[in-house]
Amino acid sequence: AQTVTQSQPEMSVQEAETVTLSCTYDTSESDYYLFWYKQPPSRQMILVIRQEAYKQQNATENRFSVNFQKAAKSFSLKISDSQLGDAAMYFCAYRSPQGAQKLVFGQGTRLTINP
Amino acid sequence: EAQVTQNPRYLITVTGKKLTVTCSQNMNHEYMSWYRQDPGLGLRQIYYSMNVEVTDKGDVPEGYKVSRKEKRNFPLILESPSPNQTSLYFCASSFRALGAMGTDTQYFGPGTRLTVL
Repeated sequence: AQTVTQSQPEMSVQEAETVTLSCTYDTSESDYYLFWYKQPPSRQMILVIRQEAYKQQNATENRFSVNFQKAAKSFSLKISDSQLGDAAMYFCAYRSPQGAQKLVFGQGTRLTINP
Repeated sequence: EAQVTQNPRYLITVTGKKLTVTCSQNMNHEYMSWYRQDPGLGLRQIYYSMNVEVTDKGDVPEGYKVSRKEKRNFPLILESPSPNQTSLYFCASSFRALGAMGTDTQYFGPGTRLTVL
């Protein structure tokens, strides 16, 4: 079974600075999808960015980018020019293209932005 | 507006009193799923449905039931709630992946905070 690990329960960053959230996963599959979700105090789950494993190019969405290291099974999220609105819980998630198509989540990282 | 709705958003109940949390999506998605979120554990899948009348267990199905009589609705039923079911619940939906190379995004509802006393 696949597992996702976020080893940083909490992170903080100064406004306008850059922060990187770590995520590692374990799988025997070669094709899969990885996601970062943001959960603000409103508790909704908001998709931040996704990466297909067969793509070598790292995904980018505005200030958010990932560093996808397939061999190392690492999928970190970089937030550039941090803003107060970025404060939230961030979840890394894995999805297999086969079977139940469920998302396997990490434990989450709480990000605080210091003004 | 494309969305997944859940009701109620907050619920406090007592042990043993049957309850239903509704979930509805307006995107004609085939796939729907329920998750629970607990501190330090992330989100774990309870049940999922690949289409109408097709449901299956996720990782933590004990104490829950679901039904999928219509494509848009996927209610979560707790026949006899217990305090260990106090949690934050999310419904999610998506199109089915189009083969191994297909991708899809799961759209989440706003969450339901359930407290069982």
